[in-house]
Amino acid sequence: QKEVEQDPGPLSVPEGAIVSLNCTYSNSAFQYFMWYRQYSRKGPELLMYTYSSGNKEDGRFTAQVDKSSKYISLFIRDSQPSDSATYLCAMRETGANNLFFGTGTRLTVIP
Amino acid sequence: SAVISQKPSRDICQRGTSLTIQCQVDSQVTMMFWYRQQPGQSLTLIATANQGSEATYESGFVIDKFPISRPNLTFSTLTVSNMSPEDSSIYLCSVAGGTMNTEAFFGQGTRLTVV
Repeated sequence: QKEVEQDPGPLSVPEGAIVSLNCTYSNSAFQYFMWYRQYSRKGPELLMYTYSSGNKEDGRFTAQVDKSSKYISLFIRDSQPSDSATYLCAMRETGANNLFFGTGTRLTVIP
Repeated sequence: SAVISQKPSRDICQRGTSLTIQCQVDSQVTMMFWYRQQPGQSLTLIATANQGSEATYESGFVIDKFPISRPNLTFSTLTVSNMSPEDSSIYLCSVAGGTMNTEAFFGQGTRLTVV
């Protein structure tokens, strides 16, 4: 079983739609949760960072962590064509260097 | 966040040869990390590079295949040795940052194709 599972998609939505991206994980010791956006031929760009459970909002982006279910989500409101990219979830234990990534979900927002 | 520059951005190499990838950071950092991103797979940590000591390799990665240098606090290199087509991948340099160094920032990656 992989440490982190993420549906690879691809996911296509019309402009303006609400997008929901999700990851599940198996290691209950994970405490730090991140979402990265990766455009084609670019490195991952940190979008959202959350410690432990709860919600965090930043503009059109909301990250949710449910540690009891080992489930994290990223919501994108009013999606734009510029949001078209691959979204990667990542997580780590406290004090650990190693980040565990999902395989990424490829999102296309259609104008 | 730190600005991370990698060279080369891409390369096509013959099997059996070696390629050295450079990573330059615009600020001093204690640890630098090298990841591999194979098609359709998760980013995977290869090793952690500390200045002044040998790199720490993750399971499945060995120094003979992926030697790493860390001569100072802003620079590191990763060499992919004796390459085979299975080494075709994107290689990414990363540093810790943010509050309590718990966030990870990445360079733009090096896209390697071995023929």
